[in-house]
Amino acid sequence: DAKTTQPTSMDCAEGRAANLPCNHSTISGNEYVYWYRQIHSQGPQYIIHGLKNNETNEMASLIITEDRKSSTLILPHATLRDTAVYYCIVRPPEGAQKLVFGQGTRLTINP
Amino acid sequence: EAGVAQSPRYKIIEKRQSVAFWCNPISGHATLYWYQQILGQGPKLLIQFQNNGVVDDSQLPKDRFSAERLKGVDSTLKIQPAKLEDSAVYLCASSLTGKANEKLLFGSGTQLSVL
Repeated sequence: DAKTTQPTSMDCAEGRAANLPCNHSTISGNEYVYWYRQIHSQGPQYIIHGLKNNETNEMASLIITEDRKSSTLILPHATLRDTAVYYCIVRPPEGAQKLVFGQGTRLTINP
Repeated sequence: EAGVAQSPRYKIIEKRQSVAFWCNPISGHATLYWYQQILGQGPKLLIQFQNNGVVDDSQLPKDRFSAERLKGVDSTLKIQPAKLEDSAVYLCASSLTGKANEKLLFGSGTQLSVL
């Protein structure tokens, strides 16, 4: 499984855009990039996923570099409720197609 | 749309006792996953079902953990006997067919404390 590298923690001011980086330099051409987040005492919540193109939904935007070796999750207007651990995951399209979680980034939104 | 249902929400047992967790996935979802999340770590996949068949149980400690999904709908995960290191949150997730471009949806989990 392709590995991901994320910063252990980040801070962001409320109302500002939160940009969470993820490095996945060993990703193969057909592996998906997924982002989940986990708020304390809850199960992981799906945010967004993509393959090659940038993606946007009601929660966030996903920017994947052209070489696909890294990506950035953007929360456009962070609120206090966005404080959570954010996981970047590379998911293979063959075999069991498992979702393998790493340590994630602990994002704290400050008032 | 109803989410993934898990019960109980919390469970406290003594070591060497047995315990069972129950999961009801989203209606129509063929793929069901059990994850274990130890405090401070990311979730770790224990077992993956496709309908009532096991796809991957490579990380399941089979000497004490067992899981079944007999009718291809709800599932139970059992630990017998429990050890102190089994204290964790046990998460259930489901997806429609298990393909890589489908999101997994998670339940709230069962928090297990082994004393």
